[in-house]
Amino acid sequence: DAGVTQSPTHLIKTRGQQVTLRCSPKSGHDTVSWYQQALGQGPQFIFQYYEEEERQRGNFPDRFSGHQFPNYSSELNVNALLLGDSALYLCASSLGSTSYEQYFGPGTRLTVT
Amino acid sequence: AQSVTQLDSQVPVFEEAPVELRCNYSSSVSVYLFWYVQYPNQGLQLLLKYLSGSTLVKGINGFEAEFNKSQTSFHLRKPSVHISDTAEYFCAVSENAGGTSYGKLTFGQGTILTVHP
Repeated sequence: DAGVTQSPTHLIKTRGQQVTLRCSPKSGHDTVSWYQQALGQGPQFIFQYYEEEERQRGNFPDRFSGHQFPNYSSELNVNALLLGDSALYLCASSLGSTSYEQYFGPGTRLTVT
Repeated sequence: AQSVTQLDSQVPVFEEAPVELRCNYSSSVSVYLFWYVQYPNQGLQLLLKYLSGSTLVKGINGFEAEFNKSQTSFHLRKPSVHISDTAEYFCAVSENAGGTSYGKLTFGQGTILTVHP
């Protein structure tokens, strides 16, 4: 049973650039949530996608956007990168947008220089 | 809105000793409560959860936690730790909307547990 997968594992970008991170949910799951975990901090909720729509959003600027595909996989896009965007980006999947049972992927480590 | 406070940023302990990691939360509505563990360079793994019913919940790897509604706490305990328990532990809450969840997790800052031989 494949768990949540994320790509790439690591990424280095320059300030002002744009980045796309990818997530494939656990088999059978249809909902994807994204979290940002800065160094030494707990994860912070960015947004959740269900039925290809953004259902909830945390306190993140519009530079952060996402997409969910018909196969339930998801992308997180960040435009105009800032140094402060350096973090571990975690994807979590669940069955249904109201499920409390979330499974996390290993994350993508983004470094902005 | 909810918030979570983990009262200890680091907890050092010797192998086979008991440990308690403390978590307090604040919420204007009923919540579900969770503890996750994060090993170095890995994602989060669910240790245990409180949804309803018995206030003492047991999880994987010998961990347990007790929900105390009056003190709004959800402390994690293990009677005897192993070297392999060295990791970062996160307490989290999600809003309980009449038996379902809105899915969004609010996390604490984390507690680094270091088990010494």
